[in-house]
Amino acid sequence: QQQVKQSPQSLIVQKGGISIINCAYENTAFDYFPWYQQFPGKGPALLIAIRPDVSEKKEGRFTISFNKSAKQFSLHIMDSQPGDSATYFCAASKRDTGRRALTFGSGTRLQVQP
Amino acid sequence: EAGVVQSPRYKIIEKKQPVAFWCNPISGHNTLYWYRQNLGQGPELLIRYENEEAVDDSQLPKDRFSAERLKGVDSTLKIQPAELGDSAVYLCASSPQGDEQFFGPGTRLTVL
Repeated sequence: QQQVKQSPQSLIVQKGGISIINCAYENTAFDYFPWYQQFPGKGPALLIAIRPDVSEKKEGRFTISFNKSAKQFSLHIMDSQPGDSATYFCAASKRDTGRRALTFGSGTRLQVQP
Repeated sequence: EAGVVQSPRYKIIEKKQPVAFWCNPISGHNTLYWYRQNLGQGPELLIRYENEEAVDDSQLPKDRFSAERLKGVDSTLKIQPAELGDSAVYLCASSPQGDEQFFGPGTRLTVL
């Protein structure tokens, strides 16, 4: 059962444009929604995260928009740069017996063209 | 601060052979995770440790996979015997008191 659905699978954006990646979740017990960035040959690295008590969180060029009623959240990358070219994963988790295990989406390969 | 260390980075074995992966988490992180990442997919949890105790191993294929975390620090994940479908990247992550997980670079396993 795929609990976190991510789209699109791949995305090509021109330098300076806005990259938008969407995720939808099923489990209403999820209460932590991070986005990870992964470069080839590297492990995922946390980019930004949000909790369901806020509808938006911004850190630099990266913004998460969260819609609790629709069970959807999205990542917006403003002024996209070639260095942003990577695979992006949304994830979700719920606190269970003290710590969390992340359920990941299937990933979006972003290519920013110069 | 040193990150999560994994070794080896790459491993190529014949099917039915055993293989082991090692992980050294960030100092002071009590929670350790092993994830498997198939090509073009997101990571999937295999097992989670709180100190020495495996608190979530429901996704670990116990007929061929085993893991241990002696003394609540380093961890080893073993596959015996390996199958073709085990080819993937095996990621280790650790977490402090909060929710953020820090991932290592992974071990890319190829089973021939």
